[in-house]
Amino acid sequence: DTEVTQTPKHLVMGMTNKKSLKCEQHMGHRAMYWYKQKAKKPPELMFVYSYEKLSINESVPSRFSPECPNSSLLNLHLHALQPEDSALYLCASSIKTYNEQFFGPGTRLTVL
Amino acid sequence: QQQVKQSPQSLIVQKGGISIINCAYENTAFDYFPWYQQFPGKGPALLIAIRPDVSEKKEGRFTISFNKSAKQFSLHIMDSQPGDSATYFCAASTAGNNRLAFGKGNQVVVIP
Repeated sequence: DTEVTQTPKHLVMGMTNKKSLKCEQHMGHRAMYWYKQKAKKPPELMFVYSYEKLSINESVPSRFSPECPNSSLLNLHLHALQPEDSALYLCASSIKTYNEQFFGPGTRLTVL
Repeated sequence: QQQVKQSPQSLIVQKGGISIINCAYENTAFDYFPWYQQFPGKGPALLIAIRPDVSEKKEGRFTISFNKSAKQFSLHIMDSQPGDSATYFCAASTAGNNRLAFGKGNQVVVIP
């Protein structure tokens, strides 16, 4: 298995909803990442987990809460989002930090 | 402050032609330079990457040229095909650092 999978593909939520994004990889990678991407912009790093521990939080608002239950799984919990949070949310993984990062297909999030 | 500057912003190439995208960086500690290809609505896919101990790397129709003294690297797409129409991002990182510094992206359109 050489891919990163993300669910759901699309998500529409209201500003008062709570939802979660899921990312999974079975490549044995020990670093996993969350990125946010706006249209026609490069991905922006949000969080990095290294060996299941949060190593980087790029000053992301607390309405985004990451979780790494095990070495294959990464979640992003969403609560009280704003319309400007609408974006493509990408998960990535790498063998270890700074090596080649492999991206998933993303979750297209729309906040109404 | 953008660490990696990418040019041109967009490019239109005839089928069979050569697409060339350039990137420049300032941080001499960068030691890993990947290129990503992204189709609309999809996650970025790692296309090819180079480290500064070589000046050129070729994989199929894609070639990275690296000029360490000029702090520049470029992507050449030979025999461009309509299926190559996508957004291309260059990036750079340093050893032991999870962060990829992305360029702004370049939209390449290959016309038949």
